[in-house]
Amino acid sequence: DTGVSQNPRHKITKRGQNVTFRCDPISEHNRLYWYRQTLGQGPEFLTYFQNEAQLEKSRLLSDRFSAERPKGSFSTLEIQRTEQGDSAMYLCASSLGHGLEAFFGQGTRLTVV
Amino acid sequence: GIQVEQSPPDLILQEGANSTLRCNFSDSVNNLQWFHQNPWGQLINLFYIPSGTKQNGRLSATTVATERYSLLYISSSQTTDSGVYFCAAGTNFGNEKLTFGTGTRLTIIP
Repeated sequence: DTGVSQNPRHKITKRGQNVTFRCDPISEHNRLYWYRQTLGQGPEFLTYFQNEAQLEKSRLLSDRFSAERPKGSFSTLEIQRTEQGDSAMYLCASSLGHGLEAFFGQGTRLTVV
Repeated sequence: GIQVEQSPPDLILQEGANSTLRCNFSDSVNNLQWFHQNPWGQLINLFYIPSGTKQNGRLSATTVATERYSLLYISSSQTTDSGVYFCAAGTNFGNEKLTFGTGTRLTIIP
């Protein structure tokens, strides 16, 4: 197992465009988490899945953001009508269960111009 | 929700020195992790330590859950230890998220 994988690593988009990121968790992990990190800050929780069910969404996740995890495997995070404030590192993590060790992917760095 | 505070925010040391990073948290935890963020942004797992003491080479960590703090020790610092260190905590109650501190930026000078 190669760990948590995220694609793309970098994305530059024009304001108003839609973007989609992908996360492939560690294969036996049923929990999958999305976080966002801005410069100089620690990562902030966005949402998480247990298998295919999205169980919690942060207030940071505006209605322009949507996440899916079809069949409880990989996940996608889509941002519609991107804004400059969406520029950040988007991190995905997975774990075997509640309270167990989480492992992070390399992140997708989004720049909205 | 749980609050996580890290200190110091910045630490500059000479190569070979020892360092102690602190993480205070405001609630009971079932998960406490230390990470090192590499220059490309990836969070590298250092320790999963909701309680007790662990050691891995020059690094060790201790979490005193009853007093709500964790310490990360780095001995004989090397320039490759430079970077930002985060602690993150998860609670027993309700949601499953990790709450991160704002990090300690460690700079090791040759």
